[in-house]
Amino acid sequence: QKEVEQDPGPLSVPEGAIVSLNCTYSNSAFQYFMWYRQYSRKGPELLMYTYSSGNKEDGRFTAQVDKSSKYISLFIRDSQPSDSATYLCAMSASRDDKIIFGKGTRLHILP
Amino acid sequence: DSGVTQTPKHLITATGQRVTLRCSPRSGDLSVYWYQQSLDQGLQFLIQYYNGEERAKGNILERFSAQQFPDLHSELNLSSLELGDSALYFCASSTQTGRETQYFGPGTRLLVL
Repeated sequence: QKEVEQDPGPLSVPEGAIVSLNCTYSNSAFQYFMWYRQYSRKGPELLMYTYSSGNKEDGRFTAQVDKSSKYISLFIRDSQPSDSATYLCAMSASRDDKIIFGKGTRLHILP
Repeated sequence: DSGVTQTPKHLITATGQRVTLRCSPRSGDLSVYWYQQSLDQGLQFLIQYYNGEERAKGNILERFSAQQFPDLHSELNLSSLELGDSALYFCASSTQTGRETQYFGPGTRLLVL
């Protein structure tokens, strides 16, 4: 079983819809959870960072962590065509531990 | 723009050759990380340097090596290149060792023919 699993997509949704992106993981030691956005031919950029369980909101983005289910989610409200990108989940056991990335989900927002 | 620069943007070379990728971190960042991204493996951590010293190693092959210089820029050396080394190579930097706040460069696309 891979440490981090993420559906590669592509996921196509109409503009204005709520998008739900998810990852599952197997290592119960993971405490730090991140979402990165990567546009085509660009480097990943950090979108959201959460520690342990719970929710975190930043504008149209909400990150959710359920450690009991080893499941994390990223919700995008009022999706825009500019949100079209690959979204990578990432996690680590401590601030000094290496980060394990999911393979990314390709998202297309249709105008 | 993350503030991390990488050169070259593209590199085409032949099997068996050696190449050097260069990274300049954001101003003030002491940590530099190297990653390899391929379609089948995703983003894989290779190695981290902090203020000139190797801090952590990931899935880095013995044919690959890196270093961080006194001015904090870093180089990743790839030798005896194989077709499977074709990938995107990213450098990232962070202020300390807080790996969750890494800023990624635009990457170097390596094609080995």
